[in-house]
Amino acid sequence: GQQVMQIPQYQHVQEGEDFTTYCNSSTTLSNIQWYKQRPGGHPVFLIQLVKSGEVKKQKRLTFQFGEAKKNSSLHITATQTTDVGTYFCAGWGKIIFGKGTRLHILP
Amino acid sequence: DGGITQSPKYLFRKEGQNVTLSCEQNLNHDAMYWYRQDPGQGLRLIYYSQIVNDFQKGDIAEGYSVSREKKESFPLTVTSAQKNPTAFYLCASSRGIRGNQPQHFGDGTRLSIL
Repeated sequence: GQQVMQIPQYQHVQEGEDFTTYCNSSTTLSNIQWYKQRPGGHPVFLIQLVKSGEVKKQKRLTFQFGEAKKNSSLHITATQTTDVGTYFCAGWGKIIFGKGTRLHILP
Repeated sequence: DGGITQSPKYLFRKEGQNVTLSCEQNLNHDAMYWYRQDPGQGLRLIYYSQIVNDFQKGDIAEGYSVSREKKESFPLTVTSAQKNPTAFYLCASSRGIRGNQPQHFGDGTRLSIL
């Protein structure tokens, strides 16, 4: 069946370093959404990518959708303590969430 | 303010007991969803509903039941048939079921076995 794999599962970075999480699907996706869940909180929608090769930016966050629409990435430049949390991708065709990447920031 | 309200925040279940988790939304969204989240896991879809009086099984529907009698409400019952119910349950809604609509989540209900 359709699977969405997310790597890495955990990432520890020094504050100020960059961070990237990757999302890979076994099938072509119609679109992909990214969510952030703070510790003890609920997922909050960040962005949606629809077009092949699409790149979107939100301040220090850059989101990419692969040419084949089977993979995506989220890159955070110069991480801050407010970036702590788990980042999930959600692939659509059928609703499938990745397992998330938990980001820890070392001061 | 519009949003999704889940209650209770914490719930304890005895062996052999059914429990119902409440989810209410005032966003006027057509679609509603229930997810289960276990430590280190992503969100797994239990049930979803596109419209009143209609719902579909997700990937892990066994041991759960839902109803959608009103647009605003989508309660989830965890039955005694669900042998490992301890988890964090999240309710979400979106304007439609199509994947171009972002999902809005409630604060969740944490269910534990006594």
